[in-house]
Amino acid sequence: LAKTTQPISMDSYEGQEVNITCSHNNIATNDYITWYQQFPSQGPRFIIQGYKTKVTNEVASLFIPADRKSSTLSLPRVSLSDTAVYYCLVELSGGYQKVTFGTGTKLQVIP
Amino acid sequence: GAVVSQHPSRVICKSGTSVKIECRSLDFQATTMFWYRQFPKQSLMLMATSNEGSKATYEQGVEKDKFLINHASLTLSTLTVTSAHPEDSSFYICSARVSGGRQGRGMNTEAFFGQGTRLTVV
Repeated sequence: LAKTTQPISMDSYEGQEVNITCSHNNIATNDYITWYQQFPSQGPRFIIQGYKTKVTNEVASLFIPADRKSSTLSLPRVSLSDTAVYYCLVELSGGYQKVTFGTGTKLQVIP
Repeated sequence: GAVVSQHPSRVICKSGTSVKIECRSLDFQATTMFWYRQFPKQSLMLMATSNEGSKATYEQGVEKDKFLINHASLTLSTLTVTSAHPEDSSFYICSARVSGGRQGRGMNTEAFFGQGTRLTVV
C-alpha cells in the first residue's frame, strides 16, 4: 500500500479557501486517491475521490498532477463546521480492499 | 447513500468482562467489513477484515482470541472484546465498502463507516 504524507495540522480563517496537500510518491498505476473527513467521536466520512487531473463535487475539489505523486484537497470558503481531521488515502481500484489510514491533517477553522 | 450502523455508540464495562459491538449495513450487502480502533488524537488503526461466512483476517499484532469477530450474515458483523482491560478502552469503528461508479464519487469502491463505539473499561 502506498504511504501518504500530509501536514499534521493547519489553521484557517472562516471564509477562506483551504488547500491540503498529500504526498504519495509510491502510488501505483491502479491506485485511486481518496479523501475522508472525521469529526471527533465519529466515523470517517467520504469526501472525494480521483484518479488524475481534477475532480469536483458539491463539497470539495481534488487536484492531481500528471505524475500523481501528490494530490491537493481544496475546500472552498471553509466554515467553523469544517474543523475536522482530513485523511488522504491511496487505494487499489476495484474489489473490497482494506482502507489503511495515515496520520491525517487536523484542520482548525478560526472565526 | 449507503449506511453503516454501529451499536452501541457508547459502552462502559468492568475489567474482565466481555463486550460485543455490532456493525450493520442497512441498505446494502457487505461481504467484507473492516474493524478499526482509534486512540485519542491518533489515526485509525486497522484491526481486522471480517469476511462473511469465513474467518476474519487479523492485522499483525492484533490478538484474534481477544478480539473475536463474527460475520454470520451479509449485513452484520460483530466484534467481541473478551476479558476487557482498561488498556482496551478506545474508539472502535467498523467499515464496509460499496461498489463504485456513482457520478461525482469516482469510479472506485467507496468505504462507509459506522458512527463508532466508545468503549471504556473500568
